[in-house]
Amino acid sequence: AAGVIQSPRHLIKEKRETATLKCYPIPRHDTVYWYQQGPGQDPQFLISFYEKMQSDKGSIPDRFSAQQFSDYHSELNMSSLELGDSALYFCASSPTSAITDTQYFGPGTRLTVL
Amino acid sequence: AQSVTQPDIHITVSEGASLELRCNYSYGATPYLFWYVQSPGQGLQLLLKYFSGDTLVQGIKGFEAEFKRSQSSFNLRKPSVHWSDAAEYFCAVAFPRTSTTDSWGKLQFGAGTQVVVTP
Repeated sequence: AAGVIQSPRHLIKEKRETATLKCYPIPRHDTVYWYQQGPGQDPQFLISFYEKMQSDKGSIPDRFSAQQFSDYHSELNMSSLELGDSALYFCASSPTSAITDTQYFGPGTRLTVL
Repeated sequence: AQSVTQPDIHITVSEGASLELRCNYSYGATPYLFWYVQSPGQGLQLLLKYFSGDTLVQGIKGFEAEFKRSQSSFNLRKPSVHWSDAAEYFCAVAFPRTSTTDSWGKLQFGAGTQVVVTP
Protein backbone atom coordinates (compact mmCIF):
# COMPACT_ATOMS: atom_id res chain seq x y z
CA ALA A 1 0.00 0.00 0.00
CA ALA A 2 1.17 3.50 -0.76
CA GLY A 3 2.48 5.48 2.18
CA VAL A 4 3.26 9.07 2.92
CA ILE A 5 6.46 10.16 1.21
CA GLN A 6 8.70 12.82 2.61
CA SER A 7 11.73 14.31 0.99
CA PRO A 8 14.47 14.74 1.65
CA ARG A 9 14.95 12.23 4.46
CA HIS A 10 17.94 14.10 5.80
CA LEU A 11 18.92 17.71 5.41
CA ILE A 12 21.86 19.63 6.78
CA LYS A 13 21.81 23.42 6.71
CA GLU A 14 23.76 26.30 8.15
CA LYS A 15 22.27 28.92 10.43
CA ARG A 16 20.32 31.62 8.60
CA GLU A 17 19.86 29.41 5.54
CA THR A 18 16.51 28.31 4.17
CA ALA A 19 15.09 24.81 3.83
CA THR A 20 12.14 23.30 2.01
CA LEU A 21 10.59 20.05 3.14
CA LYS A 22 8.19 18.17 0.92
CA CYS A 23 5.35 15.83 1.72
CA TYR A 24 3.42 13.63 -0.67
CA PRO A 25 0.27 12.28 0.97
CA ILE A 26 -1.31 8.93 0.34
CA PRO A 27 -3.37 9.08 -2.88
CA ARG A 28 -6.89 10.43 -2.34
CA HIS A 29 -5.97 11.91 1.03
CA ASP A 30 -6.87 15.59 1.05
CA THR A 31 -5.60 16.53 4.51
CA VAL A 32 -2.00 17.05 5.50
CA TYR A 33 -0.54 17.72 8.94
CA TRP A 34 2.98 18.85 9.84
CA TYR A 35 4.60 18.02 13.17
CA GLN A 36 7.98 18.88 14.63
CA GLN A 37 9.76 16.49 16.99
CA GLY A 38 12.78 17.91 18.75
CA PRO A 39 15.46 15.61 20.22
CA GLY A 40 13.90 13.57 23.01
CA GLN A 41 10.64 15.47 22.65
CA ASP A 42 7.11 14.54 21.69
CA PRO A 43 5.84 15.64 18.28
CA GLN A 44 4.37 19.13 18.25
CA PHE A 45 1.68 20.15 15.79
CA LEU A 46 2.75 22.90 13.40
CA ILE A 47 0.11 23.36 10.74
CA SER A 48 -2.49 21.50 8.72
CA PHE A 49 -4.18 21.78 5.35
CA TYR A 50 -7.49 20.56 4.08
CA GLU A 51 -8.36 20.78 0.41
CA LYS A 52 -5.42 23.09 -0.22
CA MET A 53 -6.50 25.56 2.45
CA GLN A 54 -4.85 26.03 5.82
CA SER A 55 -7.17 24.44 8.34
CA ASP A 56 -5.35 24.84 11.62
CA LYS A 57 -2.20 26.35 12.99
CA GLY A 58 -0.14 25.38 15.99
CA SER A 59 3.17 26.55 17.35
CA ILE A 60 4.70 27.36 14.01
CA PRO A 61 7.27 30.18 13.97
CA ASP A 62 6.66 33.14 11.67
CA ARG A 63 9.86 32.15 9.85
CA PHE A 64 8.06 29.05 8.63
CA SER A 65 5.42 28.92 5.97
CA ALA A 66 3.64 26.08 4.30
CA GLN A 67 1.18 25.39 1.57
CA GLN A 68 -0.69 22.56 -0.08
CA PHE A 69 -0.66 22.38 -3.84
CA SER A 70 -3.26 21.34 -6.39
CA ASP A 71 -1.95 17.76 -6.39
CA TYR A 72 -2.29 17.76 -2.57
CA HIS A 73 1.40 17.58 -1.87
CA SER A 74 2.60 20.02 0.74
CA GLU A 75 5.78 21.97 1.33
CA LEU A 76 7.11 23.43 4.54
CA ASN A 77 9.41 26.38 3.94
CA MET A 78 11.76 27.38 6.71
CA SER A 79 13.82 30.56 6.57
CA SER A 80 16.50 32.11 8.77
CA LEU A 81 17.19 28.72 10.25
CA GLU A 82 18.24 28.56 13.87
CA LEU A 83 20.03 25.84 15.80
CA GLY A 84 16.79 25.13 17.64
CA ASP A 85 15.09 24.19 14.39
CA SER A 86 17.08 20.96 14.33
CA ALA A 87 14.42 18.31 14.62
CA LEU A 88 12.56 15.52 12.94
CA TYR A 89 9.72 16.90 10.84
CA PHE A 90 6.80 14.59 10.23
CA CYS A 91 4.08 14.90 7.72
CA ALA A 92 0.87 12.96 8.15
CA SER A 93 -2.07 12.58 5.81
CA SER A 94 -5.64 11.49 6.30
CA PRO A 95 -8.56 10.90 3.95
CA THR A 96 -10.46 13.90 5.29
CA SER A 97 -10.08 16.44 8.07
CA ALA A 98 -12.46 14.53 10.29
CA ILE A 99 -11.13 13.89 13.72
CA THR A 100 -12.05 10.24 13.39
CA ASP A 101 -9.83 9.68 10.37
CA THR A 102 -6.54 7.98 11.04
CA GLN A 103 -3.46 10.06 10.38
CA TYR A 104 -0.80 8.15 8.50
CA PHE A 105 2.69 9.41 9.22
CA GLY A 106 5.60 9.59 6.86
CA PRO A 107 9.12 8.55 7.88
CA GLY A 108 10.08 12.13 8.62
CA THR A 109 12.76 14.55 7.47
CA ARG A 110 15.63 14.97 9.86
CA LEU A 111 16.85 18.55 9.71
CA THR A 112 20.18 19.43 11.23
CA VAL A 113 21.11 23.08 11.52
CA LEU A 114 24.81 23.75 12.08
CA ALA B 1 -5.80 23.66 29.97
CA GLN B 2 -6.08 20.55 27.84
CA SER B 3 -3.22 18.14 28.33
CA VAL B 4 -2.07 14.57 27.99
CA THR B 5 0.36 12.96 30.39
CA GLN B 6 2.44 9.82 30.21
CA PRO B 7 3.84 9.40 33.72
CA ASP B 8 6.47 6.83 32.80
CA ILE B 9 9.37 8.08 30.74
CA HIS B 10 11.11 4.72 30.59
CA ILE B 11 9.99 1.14 31.23
CA THR B 12 12.09 -2.01 31.15
CA VAL B 13 10.29 -5.30 30.73
CA SER B 14 11.43 -8.87 30.21
CA GLU B 15 10.52 -10.64 27.02
CA GLY B 16 7.34 -12.63 27.58
CA ALA B 17 6.20 -10.46 30.47
CA SER B 18 3.17 -8.23 30.38
CA LEU B 19 3.36 -4.53 29.65
CA GLU B 20 1.17 -1.63 30.68
CA LEU B 21 1.77 1.96 29.64
CA ARG B 22 -0.14 4.73 31.33
CA CYS B 23 -1.82 7.72 29.75
CA ASN B 24 -3.93 10.38 31.43
CA TYR B 25 -5.64 13.35 29.91
CA SER B 26 -7.14 16.56 31.18
CA TYR B 27 -10.24 17.75 29.37
CA GLY B 28 -13.83 18.60 30.21
CA ALA B 29 -15.23 15.86 28.05
CA THR B 30 -13.97 12.69 26.41
CA PRO B 31 -11.37 13.47 23.78
CA TYR B 32 -10.43 11.21 20.93
CA LEU B 33 -7.64 8.93 22.12
CA PHE B 34 -4.81 7.26 20.24
CA TRP B 35 -1.71 5.22 20.85
CA TYR B 36 1.20 5.45 18.40
CA VAL B 37 4.48 3.55 18.33
CA GLN B 38 7.76 4.92 17.00
CA SER B 39 10.64 2.58 16.30
CA PRO B 40 14.13 4.06 15.98
CA GLY B 41 14.46 6.05 12.79
CA GLN B 42 10.87 5.35 11.85
CA GLY B 43 7.71 7.34 11.59
CA LEU B 44 4.75 6.99 13.91
CA GLN B 45 2.47 4.01 13.49
CA LEU B 46 -1.05 3.92 14.86
CA LEU B 47 -1.65 1.04 17.27
CA LEU B 48 -5.25 1.75 18.17
CA LYS B 49 -7.77 4.51 18.75
CA TYR B 50 -10.87 5.19 20.82
CA PHE B 51 -13.73 7.50 20.01
CA SER B 52 -16.75 5.97 21.74
CA GLY B 53 -18.44 2.68 22.49
CA ASP B 54 -16.73 -0.34 23.97
CA THR B 55 -14.09 0.94 26.37
CA LEU B 56 -11.72 -1.93 25.64
CA VAL B 57 -10.10 -1.40 22.27
CA GLN B 58 -8.10 -3.96 20.34
CA GLY B 59 -5.24 -2.82 18.18
CA ILE B 60 -2.49 -4.18 16.01
CA LYS B 61 0.49 -6.23 17.16
CA GLY B 62 -1.48 -7.73 20.04
CA PHE B 63 -2.00 -4.45 21.89
CA GLU B 64 -5.16 -3.35 23.61
CA ALA B 65 -6.15 -0.26 25.55
CA GLU B 66 -8.86 0.48 28.07
CA PHE B 67 -10.60 3.81 28.40
CA LYS B 68 -11.64 4.68 31.95
CA ARG B 69 -13.70 7.84 32.11
CA SER B 70 -13.61 8.03 35.91
CA GLN B 71 -9.81 8.08 35.86
CA SER B 72 -9.37 10.08 32.63
CA SER B 73 -7.06 7.32 31.50
CA PHE B 74 -6.35 5.33 28.38
CA ASN B 75 -3.74 2.75 29.31
CA LEU B 76 -2.09 0.50 26.77
CA ARG B 77 -1.46 -3.17 27.51
CA LYS B 78 0.11 -6.21 25.97
CA PRO B 79 -0.03 -9.61 27.69
CA SER B 80 3.33 -10.87 26.46
CA VAL B 81 5.97 -8.59 24.94
CA HIS B 82 8.34 -9.53 22.19
CA TRP B 83 11.81 -8.10 21.63
CA SER B 84 10.42 -6.29 18.59
CA ASP B 85 8.13 -4.25 20.87
CA ALA B 86 11.10 -2.21 22.02
CA ALA B 87 10.23 1.28 20.86
CA GLU B 88 8.85 4.59 22.02
CA TYR B 89 5.13 4.75 22.62
CA PHE B 90 3.11 7.92 22.41
CA CYS B 91 -0.35 8.52 23.70
CA ALA B 92 -2.13 11.21 21.72
CA VAL B 93 -5.41 13.03 21.99
CA ALA B 94 -7.48 15.15 19.70
CA PHE B 95 -9.82 17.63 21.27
CA PRO B 96 -12.99 18.35 19.33
CA ARG B 97 -13.68 21.95 18.50
CA THR B 98 -16.81 23.57 19.80
CA SER B 99 -17.70 25.21 16.49
CA THR B 100 -20.23 23.84 14.08
CA THR B 101 -17.59 22.98 11.53
CA ASP B 102 -15.84 19.67 11.34
CA SER B 103 -13.60 18.80 14.24
CA TRP B 104 -10.04 19.22 13.08
CA GLY B 105 -7.79 16.29 13.80
CA LYS B 106 -4.57 17.83 15.07
CA LEU B 107 -3.02 15.54 17.62
CA GLN B 108 -1.54 16.50 20.95
CA PHE B 109 1.04 13.98 22.06
CA GLY B 110 2.23 12.91 25.47
CA ALA B 111 5.93 12.96 26.24
CA GLY B 112 6.30 9.31 25.28
CA THR B 113 7.37 6.17 27.10
CA GLN B 114 10.53 4.40 26.02
CA VAL B 115 10.14 0.63 26.30
CA VAL B 116 13.20 -1.56 26.62
CA VAL B 117 12.78 -5.33 26.33
CA THR B 118 15.36 -7.54 28.02
CA PRO B 119 15.99 -11.21 27.19
